[in-house]
Amino acid sequence: GEDVEQSLFLSVREGDSSVINCTYTDSSSTYLYWYKQEPGAGLQLLTYIFSNMDMKQDQRLTVLLNKKDKHLSLRIADTQTGDSAIYFCAETGGSYIPTFGRGTSLIVHP
Amino acid sequence: ETGVTQSPTHLIKTRGQQVTLRCSSQSGHNTVSWYQQALGQGPQFIFQYYREEENGRGNFPPRFSGLQFPNYSSELNVNALELDDSALYLCASSLAGQAGEQYFGPGTRLTVT
Repeated sequence: GEDVEQSLFLSVREGDSSVINCTYTDSSSTYLYWYKQEPGAGLQLLTYIFSNMDMKQDQRLTVLLNKKDKHLSLRIADTQTGDSAIYFCAETGGSYIPTFGRGTSLIVHP
Repeated sequence: ETGVTQSPTHLIKTRGQQVTLRCSSQSGHNTVSWYQQALGQGPQFIFQYYREEENGRGNFPPRFSGLQFPNYSSELNVNALELDDSALYLCASSLAGQAGEQYFGPGTRLTVT
């Protein structure tokens, strides 16, 4: 089946930029998403990008897509302690059913 | 606008029992998807309902079944519970054709002993 891979942990200092990376295998991916999950909560959609785009910016968030390498990244500028959470990358192919990665746990320390 | 709600919040069941989890979708959303999230894993797609019909299913056995009602709320039923069914069960609602742009509920934490 299709696969989505993420590194499990990222630790950054408050005020720095965070970059969370994701790779996927489905060459027919149409949409790629970033979700945030705080402890004890469901997933919150942060942003998404169409597969024919290579960049999308939304306030502190920048999504970069390298379709050739099947690589997606999420950059969070000026990372705050409130950004500490698990971040999930997901992609949808022709079925429009998303496949999620295992999540990257972002730890922001003062 | 009301968000996605799920009930109950937590549930403890014994192996072999049956369980029903409930979800109310966000106002205006006609599609509901259910996911199983084991500890330390990403959500795994169970199935999706649109207009009261199952509209896609992941790699889950038939003892996982569901319903969608005319008001778009939904139920997930799991029969013959196994220890590995212990997980967070997430419901997400969306508009048809926009399954990735989903709005998730807080989940139901199911523990099977």
